Amino acid sequence: EVQLVESGGDLVQPGGSLRLSCVGSGFTFTSYSINWIRQAPGKGPEWVASISGSGDFIYYTGSLKGRFTISRDSTKNSVYLQMNSLRAEDTGVYYCARGGQFDLWGQGTLVTVSS
Amino acid sequence: EIVLTQSPGTLSLSPGEGATLSCRASQSISTSLAWYQQTPGQAPRLLIFGATNRATGIPDRFSGSGSGTDFTLTISRLEPEDFAVYYCHQYGSPLRTFGQGTKVEIK
Repeated sequence: EVQLVESGGDLVQPGGSLRLSCVGSGFTFTSYSINWIRQAPGKGPEWVASISGSGDFIYYTGSLKGRFTISRDSTKNSVYLQMNSLRAEDTGVYYCARGGQFDLWGQGTLVTVSS
Repeated sequence: EIVLTQSPGTLSLSPGEGATLSCRASQSISTSLAWYQQTPGQAPRLLIFGATNRATGIPDRFSGSGSGTDFTLTISRLEPEDFAVYYCHQYGSPLRTFGQGTKVEIK
């Protein structure tokens, strides 16, 4: 089955760190860029970061100010999002999505930043 | 950053009626625009890519048009499962952005 599965979401205190994982299956993982997209409660989606199939090209939304890092491990068909210095406004469901057009999404993983 | 502005914010319609949703980009993105449908508790689902191309498995009552800065998603006859929130997304720039969404609700 062609799918993406996220994991790693949790309740974390402000200033804390979290690492999200996205595992792909059923398709040639290295042929696709992978994106992280988040959605705060009651809000629309916000693109966070993307990494090319080779890992050579990486982009981030400007609002992160260097707190997040995207990476991939092709041997594990996985993409990661390392999130540091977390703030309350980082709370939301984090999705990974495939390719330039986001044609395949995972089910999401919930990140809650709260004391 | 390319800003996408969707209108209207909410569309109140009855099943069987047609719906027209608009998305305007702050600068030209050629046809690098996609539309998604999201129902409560679910991830967004790709409907249209390249402004006019239906994604796999999407019914032909959904159609997209436009290029440059002005885009439209048309639903020809609303089915009960079409009442949802719709988002546009531009991929003309490496820094991706979404519109704020249009909610299609039952009148």
